[in-house]
Amino acid sequence: AQSVTQLGSHVSVSEGALVLLRCNYSSSVPPYLFWYVQYPNQGLQLLLKYTSAATLVKGINGFEAEFKKSETSFHLTKPSAHMSDAAEYFCAVSDQGGSEKLVFGKGTKLTVNP
Amino acid sequence: ETGVTQSPTHLIKTRGQQVTLRCSSQSGHNTVSWYQQALGQGPQFIFQYYREEENGRGNFPPRFSGLQFPNYSSELNVNALELDDSALYLCASSLPGGYTEAFFGQGTRLTVV
Repeated sequence: AQSVTQLGSHVSVSEGALVLLRCNYSSSVPPYLFWYVQYPNQGLQLLLKYTSAATLVKGINGFEAEFKKSETSFHLTKPSAHMSDAAEYFCAVSDQGGSEKLVFGKGTKLTVNP
Repeated sequence: ETGVTQSPTHLIKTRGQQVTLRCSSQSGHNTVSWYQQALGQGPQFIFQYYREEENGRGNFPPRFSGLQFPNYSSELNVNALELDDSALYLCASSLPGGYTEAFFGQGTRLTVV
């Protein structure tokens, strides 16, 4: 069975600082990995996805993630945090060959301090 | 291109009642998935519909049921509501197959009292 572990339910950074949100996965088959962002009272928006084409994936709003098979990790980073990045971030895994039937982590709430 | 829309946005029900939530998929998307997001948790997969047939189900009891209509819109029905059913219910639509993005609606916040 697949699973996702997000280390740190809350992360706080200063504006302009590096953002690092951690995600480790468990999958018996080559995974498809996703990062979603959720703003208050809204649905989920896809930030980026890994589908085996390249280990370093670039997404929207300056975010990127690196797939490391040896570490079973898919951490999300952004070089410089903006106030507008404050939201909840979810890592998800799928073995269905796409973005259907996703297994989500519990989420990491990012706070950006001025 | 219209996005995924869900209705209602909020509702309050009493334990033991039944509820129906609705979802209109994004134009051209024939696959609809439903997720339950409890407070402070990540979304959990309930089930998926493809061309009006259930195409996979998560670990939810049979009192959670669904429908998909010829226009690909979908309903989630929950019978005999329990307090633990209080959650944000998210609908996502997509095209079938690999490398496709699931587009999520804003969700329906269900409170069971």
